[in-house]
Amino acid sequence: DAGVTQSPTHLIKTRGQQVTLRCSPISGHKSVSWYQQVLGQGPQFIFQYYEKEERGRGNFPDRFSARQFPNYSSELNVNALLLGDSALYLCASSGRDVSYEQYFGPGTRLTVT
Amino acid sequence: AQKVTQAQTEISVVEKEDVTLDCVYETRDTTYYLFWYKQPPSGELVFLIRRNSFDEQNEISGRYSWNFQKSTSSFNFTITASQVVDSAVYFCALSEARGSTLGRLYFGRGTQLTVWP
Repeated sequence: DAGVTQSPTHLIKTRGQQVTLRCSPISGHKSVSWYQQVLGQGPQFIFQYYEKEERGRGNFPDRFSARQFPNYSSELNVNALLLGDSALYLCASSGRDVSYEQYFGPGTRLTVT
Repeated sequence: AQKVTQAQTEISVVEKEDVTLDCVYETRDTTYYLFWYKQPPSGELVFLIRRNSFDEQNEISGRYSWNFQKSTSSFNFTITASQVVDSAVYFCALSEARGSTLGRLYFGRGTQLTVWP
């Protein structure tokens, strides 16, 4: 079975622009979470969705938004990009419940110039 | 508050040495899960293990072993007979099993392990 997939792999944007990142979970998984990993640090929780409903939101500004579609894929949107948004954005999916182990995708490397 | 501390920023060993990566956690919840992930240079986080707070039994999987001690809030990871392919950043993470933070992972800052041939 395919693992978690994310697109695009790399992205370069300019300050003030908007970006959309995409994630497809492992087949059969209903929960998707998004994490931001700044260089040299551990991933930080942004959002969690389960069965298309938002289950949790981390300490990120309203410029960050997400949604989950009926096929359980998900999008993360970031508006008004800042230099500090440059990071690796990781998507994770988990199976029956949000408390189970989360499997991560390869990430999207976002660079804001 | 939830917190995971990995005090070792970088560790270097020579191949075939044993190495232990330390992890100390803080949580007010009595039911929680602990995880270890490996992040090779490619960037993808690879799941290694999940333990729940009620199971303090140590676990061994090949060259990997984990020591969970609730009394000291530690969940340490040992690699026996390390290999060059073990070189990566290793993250310890905590997830609470109840409440508004259910399911979200709290990561430590990671330990960069370098295994030299």
